Amino acid sequence: DAGVTQSPTHLIKTRGQHVTLRCSPISGHKSVSWYQQVLGQGPQFIFQYYEKEERGRGNFPDRFSARQFPNYSSELNVNALLLGDSALYLCASSLVPGGNYEQYFGPGTRLTVT
Amino acid sequence: GQNIDQPTEMTATEGAIVQINCTYQTSGFNGLFWYQQHAGEAPTFLSYNVLDGLEEKGRFSSFLSRSKGYSYLLLKELQMKDSASYLCAVRPIDSNYQLIWGAGTKLIIKP
Repeated sequence: DAGVTQSPTHLIKTRGQHVTLRCSPISGHKSVSWYQQVLGQGPQFIFQYYEKEERGRGNFPDRFSARQFPNYSSELNVNALLLGDSALYLCASSLVPGGNYEQYFGPGTRLTVT
Repeated sequence: GQNIDQPTEMTATEGAIVQINCTYQTSGFNGLFWYQQHAGEAPTFLSYNVLDGLEEKGRFSSFLSRSKGYSYLLLKELQMKDSASYLCAVRPIDSNYQLIWGAGTKLIIKP
């Protein structure tokens, strides 16, 4: 069975540009969460989507946006990139949000902003 | 406020036992997760605790005390492949949709 997939694996952008990151959840999973992980720190919650609706949002500026498609895949968009946006962006899927449902993480997209 | 504390780094010997502690202060509590993350890879699920007590799963066990805001992950019969970061994450009661993560404990296993 395929796990969570993310694309691209690595990305280099310059300040001010826009980026779109993609995530495909495990088949049957309807919830997708996005996290930002800076080296040496734990993941920081950005968004959670369930049944194509935003169900939670972390403390990130409006430059960050996301959406979930009818097939439950998801995109994370970041506008006006800053150097501080350089990080590993992780997507996690679960059957449904909350409770004891564990989140399965994708391999991540390593974004470097120069 | 919400805060999760873990030691930054620990060192242990192959074959030994190590305990990684996690303390948390969150706005309510709705479960605690432990994840393992090897360098350059995504986190993988290890355990979930919502009630007080010990959950055992093979070489790994996780303990929770809700009254003390405290958990630990116990790793037995350490193997070199256990060298990784161990992340503690809490689901706050006022948000069923997110996890609050600690910074992780980097565990170094020596022969």
